[in-house]
Amino acid sequence: GAGVSQSPSNKVTEKGKDVELRCDPISGHTALYWYRQSLGQGLEFLIYFQGNSAPDKSGLPSDRFSAERTGGSVSTLTIQRTQQEDSAVYLCASSLPSVSWDFPTDTQYFGPGTRLTVL
Amino acid sequence: GQNIDQPTEMTATEGAIVQINCTYQTSGFNGLFWYQQHAGEAPTFLSYNVLDGLEEKGRFSSFLSRSKGYSYLLLKELQMKDSASYLCAVSPFMDSNYQLIWGAGTKLIIKP
Repeated sequence: GAGVSQSPSNKVTEKGKDVELRCDPISGHTALYWYRQSLGQGLEFLIYFQGNSAPDKSGLPSDRFSAERTGGSVSTLTIQRTQQEDSAVYLCASSLPSVSWDFPTDTQYFGPGTRLTVL
Repeated sequence: GQNIDQPTEMTATEGAIVQINCTYQTSGFNGLFWYQQHAGEAPTFLSYNVLDGLEEKGRFSSFLSRSKGYSYLLLKELQMKDSASYLCAVSPFMDSNYQLIWGAGTKLIIKP
């Protein structure tokens, strides 16, 4: 597709259940990012993939959160035993790899997000 | 630690000019981004500054002063569709330059 897509757009679940969120990045973008955005808050970095590897998982809030990426494309973010504080919008972004030292950070293109509500 | 400050909310009149400020204190600096986010939508890229000075792009301009840890986004000839949140983000890391530190955003309200 033309942009980053995410599914589902909305997810309502009960406390304690597991949820899986999906991100389909822009074709050819090797870098993929997951963020969380709570109401009125800034973006909270969760995890970054370069290809299928996740060199930085430091942003994951707890061991209930995990993410994987297969084939260098689609990524899934899994939250186990959801808690009410997990309620937020989960955003995925993708970018191209750096090509020059003077533009080290690549423009990130965001998907529409998944709004997760844990009851 | 890493910190980015922006005003929480601003109000301006259609057709006017507004300046949204961003100050940052980070361990390093690779560049600064501005993104626009309409309510319920994903952030979209507006500008990137790595060198001091003003970058103009149509009705939007972005300024950076690295020595002062300061940036602003200038919006001219405001339109109703400019009502959105404006996010400032800094790339602070030299060796892991993918990670951005994000401000909480400035909600801009445009009145007729």
